[in-house]
Amino acid sequence: DQQVKQNSPSLSVQEGRISILNCDYTNSMFDYFLWYKKYPAEGPTFLISISSIKDKNEDGRFTVFLNKSAKHLSLHIVPSQPGDSAVYFCAATNYGGSQGNLIFGKGTKLSVKP
Amino acid sequence: DVKVTQSSRYLVKRTGEKVFLECVQDMDHENMFWYRQDPGLGLRLIYFSYDVKMKEKGDIPEGYSVSREKKERFSLILESASTNQTSMYLCASRSGTGAPPLHFGNGTRLTVT
Repeated sequence: DQQVKQNSPSLSVQEGRISILNCDYTNSMFDYFLWYKKYPAEGPTFLISISSIKDKNEDGRFTVFLNKSAKHLSLHIVPSQPGDSAVYFCAATNYGGSQGNLIFGKGTKLSVKP
Repeated sequence: DVKVTQSSRYLVKRTGEKVFLECVQDMDHENMFWYRQDPGLGLRLIYFSYDVKMKEKGDIPEGYSVSREKKERFSLILESASTNQTSMYLCASRSGTGAPPLHFGNGTRLTVT
């Protein structure tokens, strides 16, 4: 049973526009959420996170929104740049639970076209 | 800056071989993890360790074992490699306190023929 779902395998966006990547989760015990970015042949790199006590966290061009009632989070990238083209993984964890292991979604491949 | 180093970027092994994947981190992190990444399946946790000589099974431990004799080093062992273990293997580490993110290595692309 997939606890973290990224239902869009891919997304294509024009440079300068907004990219919105979505993620849904089923486990109401999750209390911390993270986004990772992965280029081919490299390990994932941490992008941004949000605690369940917040509904928004912003870092430069990246903003993560959390809707706990809907068990949904999204990553907004504004403005999108060609260098943002990568696979984005959503991850969730319960830090009060099993050593804070991250549960990852299957990823969304973002392509930003010049 | 945290550095997680995986000893090999690419490996090709034969079915039935015993395979060792090595991972070293330089930040004195308590927790270390092994994931595999497959297309359409995302990252799946194989094993993790939250202290020296401690290990816990993740979601897909079958066919794998691990060793953590020193804090900075976490090894993944494929006891008898099979073709369905062809994958990208990713090691990660993090501090054991607070809510820090995982830091990943660059991965080892293993092909079992």
